[in-house]
Amino acid sequence: GNSVTQMEGPVTLSEEAFLTINCTYTATGYPSLFWYVQYPGEGLQLLLKATKADDKGSNKGFEATYRKETTSFHLEKGSVQVSDSAVYFCALDYSKSGGGADGLTFGKGTHLIIQP
Amino acid sequence: GAVVSQHPSWVICKSGTSVKIECRSLDFQATTMFWYRQFPKQSLMLMATSNEGSKATYEQGVEKDKFLINHASLTLSTLTVTSAHPEDSSFYICSARDTTGYEQYFGPGTRLTVT
Repeated sequence: GNSVTQMEGPVTLSEEAFLTINCTYTATGYPSLFWYVQYPGEGLQLLLKATKADDKGSNKGFEATYRKETTSFHLEKGSVQVSDSAVYFCALDYSKSGGGADGLTFGKGTHLIIQP
Repeated sequence: GAVVSQHPSWVICKSGTSVKIECRSLDFQATTMFWYRQFPKQSLMLMATSNEGSKATYEQGVEKDKFLINHASLTLSTLTVTSAHPEDSSFYICSARDTTGYEQYFGPGTRLTVT
């Protein structure tokens, strides 16, 4: 079956540091890949997505590239801010629509803490 | 933006009782809603998919008689945990897909504790 593995947290960084959160997946075929972010007390929000190999999703300074050869979708940001502190979930959608419109398979989540 | 609410945000109930959790799309119509369950430090696990006006589709291993889902309108889905037991204690999250069918929006979750 489909699965998503992401690095365990918490990840603690200083403000303006470079961020990488690793995500790898197992799936048959070619799923769509997503990063969701959950701020304290709020629901999950879509951060970025990629629907096919070599696509790069980007939003709010975050980016991730769909790497089919390594089955990875690592999240990166060049300079993090305190406001980026949240839990980040990597997820995949293996549906014919491919648009995140079916039930998703999630990783366990990575708690990111940014210190001033 | 699209907002999904859940009520209650947390609930404590006694073993053997039933508890209902509501999921509402506040500013859009949702033909499909999803229910997930999350254990501490674990992934969100899809429990079921509910479509307005029809029966829910449950994932393998989820007891449909225990987790009753009703999606009676385009803005409301409910999850009822029947005859709750301590092992049902968990964080339940819903999401709603808008009528364009392209993206789903998540509620803030409901913490259920069964004593």
